[in-house]
Amino acid sequence: DVKVTQSSRYLVKRTGEKVFLECVQDMDHENMFWYRQDPGLGLRLIYFSYDVKMKEKGDIPEGYSVSREKKERFSLILESASTNQTSMYLCASSLVLLHLFFGPGTRLTVL
Amino acid sequence: GQQLNQSPQSMFIQEGEDVSMNCTSSSIFNTWLWYKQDPGEGPVLLIALYKAGELTSNGRLTAQFGITRKDSFLNISASIPSDVGIYFCAGQGFGNNFNKFYFGSGTKLNVKP
Repeated sequence: DVKVTQSSRYLVKRTGEKVFLECVQDMDHENMFWYRQDPGLGLRLIYFSYDVKMKEKGDIPEGYSVSREKKERFSLILESASTNQTSMYLCASSLVLLHLFFGPGTRLTVL
Repeated sequence: GQQLNQSPQSMFIQEGEDVSMNCTSSSIFNTWLWYKQDPGEGPVLLIALYKAGELTSNGRLTAQFGITRKDSFLNISASIPSDVGIYFCAGQGFGNNFNKFYFGSGTKLNVKP
């Protein structure tokens, strides 16, 4: 059974903290994605990666960075968390670009 | 980024009723997809549509790729309580935007037993 796992389901951080969200997939997929989900806004792409050490900005990359040192792992980094980054963060991977497999999400609250 | 207009935003229906939701765009899409997100989980792909005019079914779900390539609808027949969740349309860009993916804002479905 294919699986995308995210390191935490719930996370509470303080403004200014550095936050790491980890995502691991066991399907040997080349493509990995980070989305954030907010009510009424749907899913917005933050960053994606087509290969190890490769990354491309999505629609809302400001305030975020990513790291992909290994094929199965894609990390999202909030360099200095702010309250407007309180959101649900979804990681996804795909072999064929169109068919995304999503993780369960991390609900991040920044106080 | 690209805007996908998905409607309705939410629906409250009785078990057994049919449901219809749709998505429109100002731009042409190469592919339309429909995902469902169960409460507390990530979205899961339901149906993918690859050709204008294509009509595809998956059990009680039916989706169509609009002939203009700018819209798609999803129908659910004889709804049941486990249909509850958020349904997202997604489109793959056309031409130079073929590697871009856009999601609608979602339709939240509530089914009353």
